[in-house]
Amino acid sequence: AQSVTQLDSQVPVFEEAPVELRCNYSSSVSVYLFWYVQYPNQGLQLLLKYLSGSTLVKGINGFEAEFNKSQTSFHLRKPSVHISDTAEYFCAVLNSGNTPLVFGKGTRLSVIA
Amino acid sequence: DAGVIQSPRHEVTEMGQEVTLRCKPISGHDYLFWYRQTMMRGLELLIYFNNNVPIDDSGMPEDRFSAKMPNASFSTLKIQPSEPRDSAVYFCASSFPWGNTIYFGEGSWLTVV
Repeated sequence: AQSVTQLDSQVPVFEEAPVELRCNYSSSVSVYLFWYVQYPNQGLQLLLKYLSGSTLVKGINGFEAEFNKSQTSFHLRKPSVHISDTAEYFCAVLNSGNTPLVFGKGTRLSVIA
Repeated sequence: DAGVIQSPRHEVTEMGQEVTLRCKPISGHDYLFWYRQTMMRGLELLIYFNNNVPIDDSGMPEDRFSAKMPNASFSTLKIQPSEPRDSAVYFCASSFPWGNTIYFGEGSWLTVV
């Protein structure tokens, strides 16, 4: 069975500083990987996804993530965060079979002025 | 496109009452998902449909929960009778095809008192 581990439940960071949100997954088959963002009182929206090809994936709002198969990781990064990036971030994995998308527990990013 | 539309956005009900949550998926999407989000358990998949047929309902917590999809543009999630521990945000999501991005609605915020 596939699973997703987000190693940090909360990440505080100062405005304009870089940030990395960590995600590790386990799956015995090929995977598709996603990062979603949830702003307060809203639904989830897609930041970026890895399906195949280049392991460095660029998403919206200046975020990027790198797929590392050997380390089974898909960490999310941004070189300089803004106050508006304060939100909950979810990593998710979908395998190439018929198992639905599995989400991690989420990481709450708090950007401090 | 209008996106995934859920109603009601907020509902407060008394224990023992029936609750019906509604969802209109994105036109042309053949997968529909119901998720529940709580602080304690994070995002849980309750049930998903493909072409209006329930595929996996193993996440439905108990017999008090039921979901239907009478046609491609409408689904309901019903809780009868409701209990305080059902208080959560319920998300509907849709996608096409399998493996592609899942689009979420804004959620239905349920409080059972």
